[in-house]
Formats: sequence, C-alpha cells, structure tokens
Amino acid sequence: GAVVSQHPSWVICKSGTSVKIECRSLDFQATTMFWYRQFPKQSLMLMATSNEGSKATYEQGVEKDKFLINHASLTLSTLTVTSAHPEDSSFYICSARQQGVRGTGELFFGEGSRLTVL
Amino acid sequence: EDKVVQSPLSLVVHEGDTVTLNCSYEVTNFRSLLWYKQEKKAPTFLFMLTSSGIEKKSGRLSSILDKKELFSILNITATQTGDSAVYLCAVDVQGAQKLVFGQGTRLTINP
Repeated sequence: GAVVSQHPSWVICKSGTSVKIECRSLDFQATTMFWYRQFPKQSLMLMATSNEGSKATYEQGVEKDKFLINHASLTLSTLTVTSAHPEDSSFYICSARQQGVRGTGELFFGEGSRLTVL
Repeated sequence: EDKVVQSPLSLVVHEGDTVTLNCSYEVTNFRSLLWYKQEKKAPTFLFMLTSSGIEKKSGRLSSILDKKELFSILNITATQTGDSAVYLCAVDVQGAQKLVFGQGTRLTINP
C-alpha cells in the first residue's frame, strides 16, 4: 500500500514556541491531506482538510491562526502549532488521499506525531 | 450533526474467544463505512463497506453493513493476543470529503 511519512514522531517543546510537523506521501501524489488530533483514549478528531495549492478548510472550533496548515506540493503538507501551550499536547496524525481516487479506502495514515508542551 | 457511535467502548476477552464490535451512525449523506485497527501509532485500514448485506472477510476478521438500520459490525473469531488494539469505525460523508470517526473500541485479548 501507499506510504505516508510523518515527521517528527516525537517532539517536546517549551510553552510559547512553535512546532512544525511534516506529512509526506512517499510514493503517490496527494491532492488532499487531512490533519487529525487524538487525545489519550479518545478517537481521532478532524482538525482540517488541506488541499494542494489552496487554503485549508478548518473544522468548527479549530483556530486557524494557531494551527497553520500549508500544502505547498502534491506530496507535502505541514502543520505548524504556533505559540504552543500545554493544552496543545496531543497526538497529531495526518492522512492522505491519492490523487484521482475518490474512494476513501485509499486514505493512508501517517505514523503520527506526539507533541508534548512543557 | 454527523455522528458515529461505537460499542462497547472497552472489551476484555480470553484468547480464542469470538468478539463482535458495533458501530452505528447518523450522517447527512452516507458514502461508505470504514473499519481501522489502531495499535500504538496510526490506524491501519481493515475494511470499506458500501453496500448492505455483503460480508467482507479477511482471515479471522469479517464485517457487514446494514444501511437500513444504520449500523455495521466487525467480527473477530478465534482471537489472538495480537488482536489487542483500538478498533475505529469511520463514515465517509459524501460531499464533505472527510471521515467522521467513532470513539473506538479498546479490545484486550488475554492469554
């Protein structure tokens, strides 16, 4: 199956700093990528949908100025958590849909990035 | 509001038992239902269901969808300790380009 790589896997930062997480589709082009957030023992909550070359679509309640998403190419989307605070500590997962494929059976997940803000 | 509800939230059984996980949904415009298995990291795809009554099978796992009653079940027979994971159900909402996830069922298989 297709591979989605996420980096970094773990990041610890001080409160007030910004953290960038990368999501790459390694062997396919992804016009659409999704960013999810998962708290311990909870399900995945969609934060935003990232479309290549256009602005991301954010879910209700997600601050677009705090969670900056850039989808500059067909293989890379980035999520930047700006001025991170302890309550932003979470597991962030990206997923990518293969270009030209409509069915979401072709939605592939990255390995996730665990953010801890001290 | 689109909603996916899984039950039970947690299940502990012995190796060799058969388990049934439930997923019910209420969405505006259903396209498909997907099951994922999540161990330590990101979810891995198990099944995608679009039609009622057609069972999908993969080894000891099987799943079926009922679009009239708006639910799906995931069956695991002859469970093994390696089946221990969180099982997530998600619904693809047509036109919205997103998956709505349920809370997940945490399955623990004891030897």
